[in-house]
Order: sequence, then structure tokens, then C-alpha cells
Amino acid sequence: ETGVTQTPRHLVMGMTNKKSLKCEQHLGHNAMYWYKQSAKKPLELMFVYNFKEQTENNSVPSRFSPECPNSSHLFLHLHTLQPEDSALYLCASSQDPRQLSGNTIYFGEGSWLTVV
Amino acid sequence: GQSLEQPSEVTAVEGAIVQINCTYQTSGFYGLSWYQQHDGGAPTFLSYNGLDGLEETGRFSSFLSRSDSYGYLLLQELQMKDSASYFCAARNSGYSTLTFGKGTMLLVSP
Repeated sequence: ETGVTQTPRHLVMGMTNKKSLKCEQHLGHNAMYWYKQSAKKPLELMFVYNFKEQTENNSVPSRFSPECPNSSHLFLHLHTLQPEDSALYLCASSQDPRQLSGNTIYFGEGSWLTVV
Repeated sequence: GQSLEQPSEVTAVEGAIVQINCTYQTSGFYGLSWYQQHDGGAPTFLSYNGLDGLEETGRFSSFLSRSDSYGYLLLQELQMKDSASYFCAARNSGYSTLTFGKGTMLLVSP
């Protein structure tokens, strides 16, 4: 139990579907992240929110749409995805990344996404 | 941008010592972190080096040399449960977010 909970753990969706991934953190952190993990590739940072404001968008295609209603919840809305988007999507949280304490980020166990 | 290089795979036996190296190239550098990820699990934080030298946490130690753009994770008294992937990650100066290496898969055998 890492304090970061992601649902669903597994998702299979067609290329025309719309679905959402949900993340909730119980650690009192201010920053939340979405990472993508594909086989044989580094963890790729997608989005960063700090105090509910998006502070980083790593050139992510618009078919991925994040939403952060408060510091404890983060969503990733998915629509018209491609098969190459199949991956493990990891949510994470930390203290303010501008502070030294923000060095440590806490990951959820991820949502395995398969696009067919 | 940043890039971090680490070996893709390392094998060792129980009780042994293993060192996982990480070299980095960054436009700005603030410190090096290490994360462990078991198959199917979440990456978990192991250690952070903000200054040159060795940081020790139980059986795990991490080292950083800024002048060499190099760090390593040292695992001692290896146990079967240490079989996992290990990622180094660099923090930029400024508005820091972590950039991860591709990970090193450690396989510990009896």
C-alpha cells in the first residue's frame, strides 16, 4: 500500500471508446503526476499538477486529457487512442516539487491499458 | 534535455554484492534518485543523493560523483526478494520533475 490508489487496474478499450483512469492519493501531497511505462522504454512523464494547476505537459497528444479537481484526485481521460498507446499508466504524488522534499515521489500500482 | 544510461540486466547470487551504475547527461542537475519496481508493482523510492558521496540505508547504498556525471546503487547481502527492476532518476534544477533511466533488471539466483 503506497498511499496512491489507481483504478481500474486493467482496462481494454477500442480505438473509438472514451474511458478514464482515476487516481487518488492519501498522503497529503500537493503535486500529482501521470507517467507512461512501456516495455523497454524509460518511464515517460506525461503531466504534472502542483496545487491543482498543470505545470508540465510533456508534448502529450490531445487524445490524453488530464483533470485535477483537487490535490488528492487526478484523472486521465482517454479518447480515440491508438494501439501504440497500450502501456502501464502510473500515477504518482509528491510534496511540492520545487522543494527538496519533493524529490521523493510515490507511485500507484498503475493501470494496465490495452487498446484494441 | 536529460538522458540516463544504466545496464539493462544484471545477475547475481544470494548473499553477493551487486553494483548498478548510472551515467547521466543533463542540461541541469540537482540530484540522483533510485527506485525499485517489482514485477507488476509500483516503483518505490530507495534513495536520493543530492551531494557527492555515499548514502547508506541498510543493505542498500547509493553513490554520486557530480564531476563524473555518475552514480551507482550498491546492494549487499542479496536476497531473492531483491529481484526487481531498479531505475535511476535525475532531478533538474529549477522546477524539478524526475527523468528516469530505462531500468536495470536484477535477477538474484539461489
